Amino acid sequence: NAGVTQTPKFQVLKTGQSMTLQCAQDMNHEYMSWYRQDPGMGLRLIHYSVGAGITDQGEVPNGYNVSRSTTEDFPLRLLSAAPSQTSVYFCASSYSFVETQYFGPGTRLLVL
Amino acid sequence: GENVEQHPSTLSVQEGDSAVIKCTYSDSASNYFPWYKQELGKRPQLIIDIRSNVGEKKDQRIAVTLNKTAKHFSLHITETQPEDSAVYFCAASKSHQAGTALIFGKGTTLSVSS
Repeated sequence: NAGVTQTPKFQVLKTGQSMTLQCAQDMNHEYMSWYRQDPGMGLRLIHYSVGAGITDQGEVPNGYNVSRSTTEDFPLRLLSAAPSQTSVYFCASSYSFVETQYFGPGTRLLVL
Repeated sequence: GENVEQHPSTLSVQEGDSAVIKCTYSDSASNYFPWYKQELGKRPQLIIDIRSNVGEKKDQRIAVTLNKTAKHFSLHITETQPEDSAVYFCAASKSHQAGTALIFGKGTTLSVSS
């Protein structure tokens, strides 16, 4: 049981490049979410999903896309990277949002 | 939208002292209030949570209190130890279009010195 996994662990991008952050869970959780963590800003919700095929925007969705084709996977796509997207990204999953959220190890992204 | 305000942003205590972190929220429909602990370089992990039908919950040295009328909740850590040093985040549930999500506070960095 691997829990929540994220790849890559670290990535450097140039402004304008696109990339996909991968997130997978093997706990059969319906709820999955993406957060970004910046110094002094806490964890801000980017997008979330309540099941395969159902996604919604969080607090800071601009510049990011998501899709949920399977229960296990919830990738986050950066369409055109900007320096303001330099951050640590955490994926989380849970049975519901009123239950324990299990976080992945995070992806550290640097946009130059 | 939902705001979760967390205070203080930093807290330094001596080993054995108590620590209190306070959060306020704005959405009266919020009904779930978890607390997460994040050690340096690690992922956040749930340490305790409380639902709106309960006023207080304890788990060994950790307790959480909730005042729904005033829309605030607090984390209490007694007999602090150096291993309690971490960043603590409060959160509150918020209804969105597709379901309920969590809104987090900005965090409190707790330092426990021996």
